[in-house]
Amino acid sequence: EPEVTQTPSHQVTQMGQEVILRCVPISNHLYFYWYRQILGQKVEFLVSFYNNEISEKSEIFDDQFSVERPDGSNFTLKIRSTKLEDSAMYFCASSEQGGSYTEAFFGQGTRLTVV
Amino acid sequence: AQKVTQAQTEISVVEKEDVTLDCVYETRDTTYYLFWYKQPPSGELVFLIRRNSFDEQNEISGRYSWNFQKSTSSFNFTITASQVVDSAVYFCALSGGSSNTGKLIFGQGTTLQVKP
Repeated sequence: EPEVTQTPSHQVTQMGQEVILRCVPISNHLYFYWYRQILGQKVEFLVSFYNNEISEKSEIFDDQFSVERPDGSNFTLKIRSTKLEDSAMYFCASSEQGGSYTEAFFGQGTRLTVV
Repeated sequence: AQKVTQAQTEISVVEKEDVTLDCVYETRDTTYYLFWYKQPPSGELVFLIRRNSFDEQNEISGRYSWNFQKSTSSFNFTITASQVVDSAVYFCALSGGSSNTGKLIFGQGTTLQVKP
């Protein structure tokens, strides 16, 4: 069964460092998303991406965040200068179609720890 | 603004008991979709069901059933004859017509513990 895969599963970084979280969406999916979940809290939307551009972003997704689809298969989230409060589980998701009716398939997540 | 509330933070039941997880939502959209996701201890988010705002029929899938009531803005989830493997965090989520990007608004989640 096709699945969304994320690497690494766990990343530890020092405050102020740049990190790149990687995702390989399901191959025929066209819509991509990043969400984050601070430990013990709810899952929060960060950004949606379609046709090589951001279609929507949340207030959390400020200038230190960026997304890219560098090679047609990977979808990356870059955090430019990490802060302690960026520590969270980051989920990538993809869907075949956009819009409210579509179900998104989530990866297993990358746990980011900023020290 | 869109909002999803799962008032039950944690529920603990004994195996074979039935359990209902509550979800209440707020939206101004007339067209919207509701979802339930399961997050087992391994951490991934597993899609369970999607429902659109025009379809208020209850749905049953094996031991799972969903009760959508537009009049009370609720989309509750019942597990019949619970099993230890049902232990997980369950999230209710909303996707609205005004946001056509597929963005999901999640509730806070309900942690279900099923004891043997």
